[in-house]
Amino acid sequence: KAGVTQTPRYLIKTRGQQVTLSCSPISGHRSVSWYQQTPGQGLQFLFEYFSETQRNKGNFPGRFSGRQFSNSRSEMNVSTLELGDSALYLCASSLAPPGLADSNEQFFGPGTRLTVL
Amino acid sequence: GQQVMQIPQYQHVQEGEDFTTYCNSSTTLSNIQWYKQRPGGHPVFLIQLVKSGEVKKQKRLTFQFGEAKKNSSLHITATQTTDVGTYFCAGHSNYQLIWGAGTKLIIKP
Repeated sequence: KAGVTQTPRYLIKTRGQQVTLSCSPISGHRSVSWYQQTPGQGLQFLFEYFSETQRNKGNFPGRFSGRQFSNSRSEMNVSTLELGDSALYLCASSLAPPGLADSNEQFFGPGTRLTVL
Repeated sequence: GQQVMQIPQYQHVQEGEDFTTYCNSSTTLSNIQWYKQRPGGHPVFLIQLVKSGEVKKQKRLTFQFGEAKKNSSLHITATQTTDVGTYFCAGHSNYQLIWGAGTKLIIKP
């Protein structure tokens, strides 16, 4: 079974631009979560989707948005990029969202490393 | 808001020494998961604890879940270079997964 895939793996943008990152979950997984990780920092939760609905959202500005498609693939968008948005963006999929299954181990993709110049 | 505090942030050990990281939640958790992230990699699931007072072992790793389901620990016996990385706990509460900040294990040369 193929793992979680994220595209692109690396991205360089300039301030003010916008970016779209893509995540394909493991086949059969309907829950997708997005995280931001900066050097030395933990995982900052962005949002979580299940069956095309955003169930939870982290404490990020409105410039960060996401969506999930009917095939469970998900995209996140960051508009008006700032230098501080440079980070590793990780996507994780699970069979079901937190609380809706006895076991919902998160499977992470390799991440997209975004550099904002 | 709900928080999971994880300590220490870093731990330097000599190879062969033990390592422990602790997580404490402000609320009761339905279960807790542990993940390991190797340098340059992504988090990988290690284990899930569900029952109050549960203890699980994976070779040199021992995981515990507190009686009140508010705290958890991961203990590694006789660390090896392959143990290097950051260990995260993530607790389930109110249909959310709340992550600790991670403990970075560094093996001193």
